[in-house]
Amino acid sequence: GQQVMQIPQYQHVQEGEDFTTYCNSSTTLSNIQWYKQRPGGHPVFLIQLVKSGEVKKQKRLTFQFGEAKKNSSLHITATQTTDVGTYFCAVSSNTGKLIFGQGTTLQVKP
Amino acid sequence: EPEVTQTPSHQVTQMGQEVILRCVPISNHLYFYWYRQILGQKVEFLVSFYNNEISEKSEIFDDQFSVERPDGSNFTLKIRSTKLEDSAMYFCASSPSSLADTQYFGPGTRLTVL
Repeated sequence: GQQVMQIPQYQHVQEGEDFTTYCNSSTTLSNIQWYKQRPGGHPVFLIQLVKSGEVKKQKRLTFQFGEAKKNSSLHITATQTTDVGTYFCAVSSNTGKLIFGQGTTLQVKP
Repeated sequence: EPEVTQTPSHQVTQMGQEVILRCVPISNHLYFYWYRQILGQKVEFLVSFYNNEISEKSEIFDDQFSVERPDGSNFTLKIRSTKLEDSAMYFCASSPSSLADTQYFGPGTRLTVL
């Protein structure tokens, strides 16, 4: 079945540093979604990308979908302690189910 | 803002016992899902439900699992005879009107099987 690989598994940064997580697939993706899960919380939808080369921004967060639609990235500029959590990419299949990546857990040192 | 709710927040049970996890999806949503997350791992799809029947189920969703929408508002996941490896966080999700819509997750039920 379809799989998405996400790296790195963990990232520790100093507050104010940038952070990037990457999501890769061996097959072309119809879409990619990004979710954030705070410690002890549930996944919260951040954004969906569907077009080749698409770039979307939400304040300090920049989301990118690769030209070949096989990879995506989430970049956070100048991290804050409120950014702490696990960031998951997920692919929505044609039946609606979400296939999640393994997630990148971000720790931010104040 | 409408939210998906789940009860209980934490369920402790003995191996072999039946458990029912309850979810109330957002009221005008039509597609319903159950996912699980073993501690420290990724979120895994269990089952999707639309129009009062299962649309798709994963290989995890074996004969021990069942889902039901008994009354038009609740959406339940039943595990007939729990195993130790069923210990996980179980998330319910719903989406409005099409397969491409955003899924809204509930806060989850932490199931501990002893």
